[in-house]
Amino acid sequence: KQEVTQIPAALSVPEGENLVLNCSFTDSAIYNLQWFRQDPGKGLTSLLLIQSSQREQTSGRLNASLDKSSGRSTLYIAASQPGDSATYLCAPRAGSYQLTFGKGTKLSVIP
Amino acid sequence: DGGITQSPKYLFRKEGQNVTLSCEQNLNHDAMYWYRQDPGQGLRLIYYSQIVNDFQKGDIAEGYSVSREKKESFPLTVTSAQKNPTAFYLCASSIFPIPNSYEQYFGPGTRLTVT
Repeated sequence: KQEVTQIPAALSVPEGENLVLNCSFTDSAIYNLQWFRQDPGKGLTSLLLIQSSQREQTSGRLNASLDKSSGRSTLYIAASQPGDSATYLCAPRAGSYQLTFGKGTKLSVIP
Repeated sequence: DGGITQSPKYLFRKEGQNVTLSCEQNLNHDAMYWYRQDPGQGLRLIYYSQIVNDFQKGDIAEGYSVSREKKESFPLTVTSAQKNPTAFYLCASSIFPIPNSYEQYFGPGTRLTVT
């Protein structure tokens, strides 16, 4: 059974700092991995999807990497802003539909 | 605007009552999903449906029921048999089969409180 771990559970950084969120998963036979953002009391917003054949995906200040063989993904946020404050979730897809979610990293960017 | 709507946003019920959460999508997606989120926990899959009139149990289906009579609608009923129903419920959808390049899209969620 796929297990997903996100470290750290919470992170507080000053505005402008670059930061890295980590995601590890136990079953490396995945089709893709999604990174989501969740604001308090809200649904999930998809940030990036990396296919199993890819190493990196970029969107604006966000860069996600995937090392499938070692069961790791990272989300890099450049020049963090207070508006980036949210919980970030990673979810690898190992089956035809099934996403397995980590517990998330709660990010606070201090002005 | 294409998307997923869930209603209501907040729902309060007394213990022992069944309650139905609504999920509608206009993305023309074949597959729909229900997840449950508890504080400090990852999302867990309750039920999913790949096609109209068919649905499958996920990891935590006990105490829940669903129907899929229309492609765009996938209501979830939380029955009195669900021991800890208070949670945040999220509906999602995708095309099916899902290509490796395709995402699941999520609705805004319904927060259910049972007292």
